[in-house]
Amino acid sequence: EIVLTQSPGTLSLSPGERATLSCRASQSVSSNYLAWFRQKPGQTPSLLIYAASSRATGIPDRFSGSGSGTDFTLTISRLEPEDFAVYYCQQFANSRWTFGQGTRVEI
Amino acid sequence: QVQLVQSGAEVKKPGASVKVSCKASGYTFTSYYIHWVRQAPGQGLEWMAMINPSGGGSNFPQKFQGRLTLTRDTSTSTVYMELSSLRSDDTAVYYCARDGVELPAARGWLDPWGQGTLVTVSS
Repeated sequence: EIVLTQSPGTLSLSPGERATLSCRASQSVSSNYLAWFRQKPGQTPSLLIYAASSRATGIPDRFSGSGSGTDFTLTISRLEPEDFAVYYCQQFANSRWTFGQGTRVEI
Repeated sequence: QVQLVQSGAEVKKPGASVKVSCKASGYTFTSYYIHWVRQAPGQGLEWMAMINPSGGGSNFPQKFQGRLTLTRDTSTSTVYMELSSLRSDDTAVYYCARDGVELPAARGWLDPWGQGTLVTVSS
């Protein structure tokens, strides 16, 4: 099973700052199957990025995804108050999806 | 708009079964996989399973073999997730979510999600 390791576990930043979140896979992952989700406190997760770098409908351009192979990155260029949340990466391989353990972005 | 509405919270005793429903609307029900994801209290997300609403076939990891059953009712655009032999570590919020691409493909681009169903397993 491919394991996704997200780092850092917690990121402490201020509104307006840049956030860089990492997702590393234990084996190479197809970019088509790499997605990022945001879960605001007390809310349902929502899709941010799919196919490693495509923004989901309605997601502002301050969010960007990049990477390939085993290393993927989610970048938030300027943090807004609603961006303080937990972020998960997710991948598919061998008929299974797995999530990373999450990165918490806090003030 | 595309929407998934789940059934309400459940409290079950260890060893019992729970059946959670997920009713879809706003799109062609048989055109997209539905996935199930769970989240234990204070923990991360765990992908559990997926079902093809058209043919009814499902796919889930070995850890749920023998305990998990996915079904669907095309007449009501509803999928069901039944988990049996419940244990305390099955206590979680269970989400259904639609895949982002049409059948026969599946990409795991989960959007939208249902509101979640809290299942509490306690004696």
